[in-house]
Amino acid sequence: EDKVVQSPLSLVVHEGDTVTLNCSYEVTNFRSLLWYKQEKKAPTFLFMLTSSGIEKKSGRLSSILDKKELFSILNITATQTGDSAVYLCAVRLTGANSKLTFGKGITLSVRP
Amino acid sequence: DGGITQSPKYLFRKEGQNVTLSCEQNLNHDAMYWYRQDPGQGLRLIYYSQIVNDFQKGDIAEGYSVSREKKESFPLTVTSAQKNPTAFYLCASSSALTYEQYFGPGTRLTVT
Repeated sequence: EDKVVQSPLSLVVHEGDTVTLNCSYEVTNFRSLLWYKQEKKAPTFLFMLTSSGIEKKSGRLSSILDKKELFSILNITATQTGDSAVYLCAVRLTGANSKLTFGKGITLSVRP
Repeated sequence: DGGITQSPKYLFRKEGQNVTLSCEQNLNHDAMYWYRQDPGQGLRLIYYSQIVNDFQKGDIAEGYSVSREKKESFPLTVTSAQKNPTAFYLCASSSALTYEQYFGPGTRLTVT
């Protein structure tokens, strides 16, 4: 059975801190890994990672994939209260099927 | 404005009643998905459809039904056979080019 495991499940930090969110996976026929941010309602897309070792960056957020060790990390530097959200990791498999398998999500709270 | 709409935002039903959740997209995406989100559970796939008039069961299809008569629309019916229907329901769509899924704002269903 395909599995996506995120850790920690929740964490609380103060503004300005740097956080690292983890996502590991055990799947057959890996194609890509995606990160989403969910504040109140609809998850919004952050990154899609396909190749090992290539960092994707957007402002204070960055992410990297390790296909040998089967995990990805999402880093947020200089956190702000607006970063408080649930961060979801999902994996897509190869083949014509486009469905995603999601982890349980990491709840991040950034205190002022 | 391109996007995915779900209606209604909040829905209340009595046990034993079927209820249909609406999902419409104007992004010209071929694939559409329905997810259920419970606290601490991440997103779990109910049904998905890659083309019109075709759909497949996801991981938790029991007690749900869908149809895909038009490319833009993918309604989900929660039947009385679904044992724990109270949840947050998210609809998503994706194109065959990027496979990145875009989400609607969700419908919160409460059954008492």
